[in-house]
Amino acid sequence: GQQVMQIPQYQHVQEGEDFTTYCNSSTTLSNIQWYKQRPGGHPVFLIQLVKSGEVKKQKRLTFQFGEAKKNSSLHITATQTTDVGTYFCAGRMDSSYKLIFGSGTRLLVRP
Amino acid sequence: NAGVMQNPRHLVRRRGQEARLRCSPMKGHSHVYWYRQLPEEGLKFMVYLQKENIIDESGMPKERFSAEFPKEGPSILRIQQVVRGDSAAYFCASSARGQAGGDTQYFGPGTRLTVL
Repeated sequence: GQQVMQIPQYQHVQEGEDFTTYCNSSTTLSNIQWYKQRPGGHPVFLIQLVKSGEVKKQKRLTFQFGEAKKNSSLHITATQTTDVGTYFCAGRMDSSYKLIFGSGTRLLVRP
Repeated sequence: NAGVMQNPRHLVRRRGQEARLRCSPMKGHSHVYWYRQLPEEGLKFMVYLQKENIIDESGMPKERFSAEFPKEGPSILRIQQVVRGDSAAYFCASSARGQAGGDTQYFGPGTRLTVL
């Protein structure tokens, strides 16, 4: 079946260090979305990538969509304690409403 | 500008009881999705509904689980005869356009179900 794999499962960094999480899909995606979930909270939409090779930035966050539209990454520069949470990618196949979520990367930041 | 509303936020049930989870989509949204999240795991799609129609229930267990989205009122996810394995966070999301490409789903705060 359709799968979206996400690594690493956990990342523990010192405040100020960078952080990256990666998503890989078994099939080509029409678009990919990224969400952040704080402990005890709900997924909050961050961004959507649609085009092959697309790169988008939100302050310290950089999102990339691979050329083949099968992988994506989220990079956070100079992490802060407010970045703590689990980051999920969610891929959508062509002409489908269904989001296939990755298993998430849990980010912990040491102050 | 209310977002997606879910209630209750926490629900405790004993084995064999029924659980009813409610979701009111964001204003102007007519597409509702239910997801289940086990501790330390990602979200698993359960069901997709539009007003008065179930579009896709492929992720929902065939037995004990049902969902509806009536013409008036919130969407309901119903779990009959709950078992301990049903303990999870249940999230509802809504969107404006559903099947249209690029539609964004916005999530509610979730209902944390604990089965004793």
